[in-house]
Amino acid sequence: RKEVEQDPGPFNVPEGATVAFNCTYSNSASQSFFWYRQDCRKEPKLLMSVYSSGNEDGRFTAQLNRASQYISLLIRDSKLSDSATYLCVVNDMFSGGYNKLIFGAGTRLAVHP
Amino acid sequence: EAEVAQSPRYKITEKSQAVAFWCDPISGHATLYWYRQILGQGPELLVQFQDESVVDDSQLPKDRFSAERLKGVDSTLKIQPAELGDSAMYLCASSPPHNSYEQYFGPGTRLTVT
Repeated sequence: RKEVEQDPGPFNVPEGATVAFNCTYSNSASQSFFWYRQDCRKEPKLLMSVYSSGNEDGRFTAQLNRASQYISLLIRDSKLSDSATYLCVVNDMFSGGYNKLIFGAGTRLAVHP
Repeated sequence: EAEVAQSPRYKITEKSQAVAFWCDPISGHATLYWYRQILGQGPELLVQFQDESVVDDSQLPKDRFSAERLKGVDSTLKIQPAELGDSAMYLCASSPPHNSYEQYFGPGTRLTVT
């Protein structure tokens, strides 16, 4: 079983739609959670952190359910520029107290006019 | 805005040849990471440096891959000999002190092994 699992998509949605992505993780000791965005043939970039209380950044809302080991990302009023792959990322600690990011395979979003 | 630099951007090599990739992290970032990303998958950590020391290389195929960061600044990742299955994007990232959660990625080196 992969440590971080995501639906690969693609999610094809019209402009203005609301779309939600889900992600599950296997390590109950994972400490921190993030969403990264990766445009086609580009490098990943941090989109937002995910907190237990949920957090919102403009049209983007991220939520964490520790009991179910489940993370979500909601995008409202989708724009053409939101088309990208969204990577669910979990932070684990390993010996020596160092952090290690574990990336999911990503969910591809295509927003069309 | 400071960026992570990588070179070359693209590399085509024949199997059994040696290849090397270079990375220059953002100034002041003590932690440097090398990832491999196969098409359709997320980045997978190969090696992590704290200054000049390796803190995690558990996923690095050590029979053919090596990485160094001699002066704790720029880094080189080498593959010798390259195999067809090594074709992938090799991404370098760095993170600021006290915030290793936010990693800044370079543009990557796309390797094709023929």
